[in-house]
Amino acid sequence: EAQVTQNPRYLITVTGKKLTVTCSQNMNHEYMSWYRQDPGLGLRQIYYSMNVEVTDKGDVPEGYKVSRKEKRNFPLILESPSPNQTSLYFCATWDRGVYGYTFGSGTRLTVV
Amino acid sequence: GEDVEQSLFLSVREGDSSVINCTYTDSSSTYLYWYKQEPGAGLQLLTYIFSNMDMKQDQRLTVLLNKKDKHLSLRIADTQTGDSAIYFCARDKAAGNKLTFGGGTRVLVKP
Repeated sequence: EAQVTQNPRYLITVTGKKLTVTCSQNMNHEYMSWYRQDPGLGLRQIYYSMNVEVTDKGDVPEGYKVSRKEKRNFPLILESPSPNQTSLYFCATWDRGVYGYTFGSGTRLTVV
Repeated sequence: GEDVEQSLFLSVREGDSSVINCTYTDSSSTYLYWYKQEPGAGLQLLTYIFSNMDMKQDQRLTVLLNKKDKHLSLRIADTQTGDSAIYFCARDKAAGNKLTFGGGTRVLVKP
C-alpha cells in the first residue's frame, strides 16, 4: 500500500529541546515537502526537496531544518523549538503523473 | 500574490447540496485541488481541475472554475453526515512545485 508515514503522531516537548519528526515514503517519489497547519491559515510550506541532497526553503522555514540523504526519508528537525512552533505538521510527496499530493497522517506538536 | 481565500464555515442539512467557494489571486495557477480533512486525519485529495477547464464532475462532486473571476467552487450533492469535515482548496503553478492552500472551510452537516 502506498504510504507516507510520519512519526510521532503526537509530541509534547519543552522549549529548546531538539526534536526530529520523521517522514518516510514507499512510493519512490522524488518530491517531498513539509507543511504546518494552523487554524484559519490553512497549510503553509516549510521546506521541500526535489530529490536526494536537494532541499529548499518554503514560505515559513525559520526555526526548521531538513535533510534528504536518501529518497524515502525526509526528516524535519527543530534545533531549539519554541511555543510558536506548536502546530500540526504534515509531510507530503508528489511524483510526475500523479495529480495531487499524498499526505501523511500528521504530527501534532506542542511546545511548552 | 499567492493568496487563496475561503469562507470559514458552512452549515448544511443532510440531503441538501453544499457549495464551498474559493478565490485566488494568481492567474498563473495550472492545477487547482480540493482536499478533505476529517477530524484527526490527514488530507485526502477529493478532486482536481486543470486551469483550462470550466467544470469537472465526479459522482456527487462538481467543481466549477471561473477563470475570469478567479473563483473556484466545490458542490457536493446529497450531502451526508460523513461529509462533515474541513475542505481546503489549493493551487499549484506547475504540478510538483508548491501547493498554496486556502484557510479551509469547516462544513457541518446537520441531520
